[in-house]
Amino acid sequence: GAVVSQHPSWVICKSGTSVKIECRSLDFQATTMFWYRQFPKQSLMLMATSNEGSKATYEQGVEKDKFLINHASLTLSTLTVTSAHPEDSSFYICSAREEDRATEAFFGQGTRLTVV
Amino acid sequence: GQNIDQPTEMTATEGAIVQINCTYQTSGFNGLFWYQQHAGEAPTFLSYNVLDGLEEKGRFSSFLSRSKGYSYLLLKELQMKDSASYLCAVMDSNYQLIWGAGTKLIIKP
Repeated sequence: GAVVSQHPSWVICKSGTSVKIECRSLDFQATTMFWYRQFPKQSLMLMATSNEGSKATYEQGVEKDKFLINHASLTLSTLTVTSAHPEDSSFYICSAREEDRATEAFFGQGTRLTVV
Repeated sequence: GQNIDQPTEMTATEGAIVQINCTYQTSGFNGLFWYQQHAGEAPTFLSYNVLDGLEEKGRFSSFLSRSKGYSYLLLKELQMKDSASYLCAVMDSNYQLIWGAGTKLIIKP
């Protein structure tokens, strides 16, 4: 299957700082990328959907000014957690979908964010 | 609203067979996925069903009945490494994945 690379795998940051997470599709063009958040023992919660070259669509309750998503190319999307707080500590996972394979989504490895 | 139901936790014995059920109510249907997720890791794809019936892939099989809004994942010859959470997800009419809460499978020797 297709490969999606997410970086970093884990990060610890101080409250008030910003953290950027990258999601790259390595061997296909990802027309759509999804960002999820997963708290311990809970399922994935979709945060936003981004299409290359356009603004991301955020799910209800997700602050777009706090979670900045950029999908500037067909192989790269970034999620920036701005002014991070301890309650933002979570597992963030991206997935990418290729236009011609609309029913498949491939996941990155996930990023464990801890805000101290 | 959209809803995916699956049991929270199941326990099975190494070498045995286990069936994890999933029922769904969604706005449209473009397929049902099963993913495996080990603790601290991202989900990995197991199976995709869009037509009724059974899809077999090695030790894992997945079944779908669209009229009943029902699917199951069957795991045979269980191994300790199969201990994980199993997530059922349905793709709706907008090609969005609707996720179940996951079933934690515990394998005992």
